[in-house]
Amino acid sequence: DTAVSQTPKYLVTQMGNDKSIKCEQNLGHDTMYWYKQDSKKFLKIMFSYNNKELIINETVPNRFSPKSPDKAHLNLHINSLELGDSAVYFCASSHSRTVNTGELFFGEGSRLTVL
Amino acid sequence: QKEVEQNSGPLSVPEGAIASLNCTYSDRGSQSFFWYRQYSGKSPELIMFIYSNGDKEDGRFTAQLNKASQYVSLLIRDSQPSDSATYLCAVNMHPGNTPLVFGKGTRLSVIA
Repeated sequence: DTAVSQTPKYLVTQMGNDKSIKCEQNLGHDTMYWYKQDSKKFLKIMFSYNNKELIINETVPNRFSPKSPDKAHLNLHINSLELGDSAVYFCASSHSRTVNTGELFFGEGSRLTVL
Repeated sequence: QKEVEQNSGPLSVPEGAIASLNCTYSDRGSQSFFWYRQYSGKSPELIMFIYSNGDKEDGRFTAQLNKASQYVSLLIRDSQPSDSATYLCAVNMHPGNTPLVFGKGTRLSVIA
C-alpha cells in the first residue's frame, strides 16, 4: 500500500480554471504538508497542518486553499490558475514527535501544467 | 530570510570516486540537518540526517556537520551510476513542529 498518495499525478489545464489535488496518508502521522517544486527543482514549503489545523502558511497567494477534513487527508484547491502555478506539488507527512528527525514521507507528486 | 544554499551543479564524478556535496545555511540556531536524494521524476527520499558536530557514517554515505561554520556536507564513497540524482540539503531551523527548509539541490552525475 502506498504510504502517501496524491491524485491526480498529472494535471493539464487552462489559465483561469480551478483545480484540486488530493492527498491521503496511511502512516498514522499527525502533520501534513504541501511543497511546491519549480522547474529548477527548488522545493518550497507552502502549507503545514497538524491535526487538521493550519500551522504554517508561507506567503502563498490566497488563490491556494488547503483543506484538511481529518489528519489523514490534506487537499489543495487552486482558483484562477496562472502560468506561474505550473510546477510539481508534493504532499508530505510526518509525526510531530519525530519531526526533528526530518523523516518527511513524500507522495509521488502532482505535475500541474497551466497553458 | 532563512536560507539553505547549495551548488546546483552538475557535479560529475567517475564511477568509484568520492562525490562531495556541500551545503550552507543561514540560521545559526538550526537544530538538525538532512540529505534527501531525488531521482528524476520521483519524490525525495531521506538518506541521512545529522544533529551533532562531526561525522556520521551509514554505508557508503558520510554526513559531516560544522555548526560554527554553518556548513553540512555529504560524501558518497565508491560512487555508482545509480547514485546519479539530485541531492537536496534540508534544515530544521527551529525545534518542534516546523517544516524543513530545502536547498535548491545539487545534481550529481556518476560516469561509468
